[in-house]
Amino acid sequence: AQSVTQPDIHITVSEGASLELRCNYSYGATPYLFWYVQSPGQGLQLLLKYFSGDTLVQGIKGFEAEFKRSQSSFNLRKPSVHWSDAAEYFCAVGDSNYQLIWGAGTKLIIKP
Amino acid sequence: DTAVSQTPKYLVTQMGNDKSIKCEQNLGHDTMYWYKQDSKKFLKIMFSYNNKELIINETVPNRFSPKSPDKAHLNLHINSLELGDSAVYFCASTLGESTGELFFGEGSRLTVL
Repeated sequence: AQSVTQPDIHITVSEGASLELRCNYSYGATPYLFWYVQSPGQGLQLLLKYFSGDTLVQGIKGFEAEFKRSQSSFNLRKPSVHWSDAAEYFCAVGDSNYQLIWGAGTKLIIKP
Repeated sequence: DTAVSQTPKYLVTQMGNDKSIKCEQNLGHDTMYWYKQDSKKFLKIMFSYNNKELIINETVPNRFSPKSPDKAHLNLHINSLELGDSAVYFCASTLGESTGELFFGEGSRLTVL
């Protein structure tokens, strides 16, 4: 069955430090992969997506993610976090009809 | 100039009441969704409409009834509200049935007392 796992329920990072949020998926075919961000009290916003091609994708707000087929992973990274990055981050995989299967989310907490 | 707007943003009501949440998008998209987000932030798709036609109807109690008067609007009516219906309900839209790139509203927080 298709699934998305975000192993970390929450992560705490100091402001200015680097960030990596993990996402693993289970999907039989070539996946379409997404990262969304949900700021407090807001709806979700697409950060970046991978459909095909270059496995390192750039997104908005300075985020990037790398698709690693051998590890079934699509981890999200940022070299230096800002306090405004504190939010909930969701990984999702799209099936052949682009219907999204969502991870449970990772809450990012920024220490001053 | 909000792309996907939902009203109301907050809704507090008693068990057994009936309530509606409205959603409108001005992006020209033809597919709209309702999602439910529970207290643990888990997202569950409820319904999807494409050009006013229902295309996804997940296992949701029939007390929930979506209505799409046109492709820019998707409303959600809930009858006989229960405590377990308390959640944040998100409307989202996308261009075509198949892009995965969703635009979300800000959510409607429903509290059932």
